Amino acid sequence: GAVVSQHPSWVICKSGTSVKIECRSLDFQATTMFWYRQFPKQSLMLMATSNEGSKATYEQGVEKDKFLINHASLTLSTLTVTSAHPEDSSFYICSATGNYGYTFGSGTRLTVV
Amino acid sequence: QQPVQSPQAVILREGEDAVINCSSSKALYSVHWYRQKHGEAPVFLMILLKGGEQKGHEKISASFNEKKQQSSLYLTASQLSYSGTYFCGTEGGAGGTSYGKLTFGQGTILTVHP
Repeated sequence: GAVVSQHPSWVICKSGTSVKIECRSLDFQATTMFWYRQFPKQSLMLMATSNEGSKATYEQGVEKDKFLINHASLTLSTLTVTSAHPEDSSFYICSATGNYGYTFGSGTRLTVV
Repeated sequence: QQPVQSPQAVILREGEDAVINCSSSKALYSVHWYRQKHGEAPVFLMILLKGGEQKGHEKISASFNEKKQQSSLYLTASQLSYSGTYFCGTEGGAGGTSYGKLTFGQGTILTVHP
């Protein structure tokens, strides 16, 4: 079946630093990648949609200069949280669509201290 | 627009049944159901596309009403492994919603006790 590999699984960073999260589709081409954020005991909220080779589309209220998304190839999309602050601490999950439908990555738990 | 899930939480004993509902004020293109264990990513259960559709396995099944505004997830003879938070994810109908762009309900916490 389709697999999306997401790294890192967890990361702790200092306030003001940047963190990069990668999602790779291992056995299929992900034409579209969605990035979600989930705060504790809350639902998944869509942050942005990225299509290979084009700029990401951000949801209302999501700062595009803070959450940089790059989808340079059909198998790799990255989310960089720039100048992270404690309020950015959350569970970030990618989801890819391709020939196999919808597949989620395993998630990245970000803690900003 | 976020779909509304009900109930917010369910507590069951092994072997009991549960129904989780997901409602939208507008007709949907599709409904997806996921289960999430604490600290893990959501796991896909099933997708419904057609009005009036019912699908699933023996013990976990789902329906999508004719108007495509309401879906229900049925868990029968529950097992301990069914515990988790269940989310419905919906794709909008008309209005330019991109393929795969899911809006998730607020989740239903299901706890199964021995």
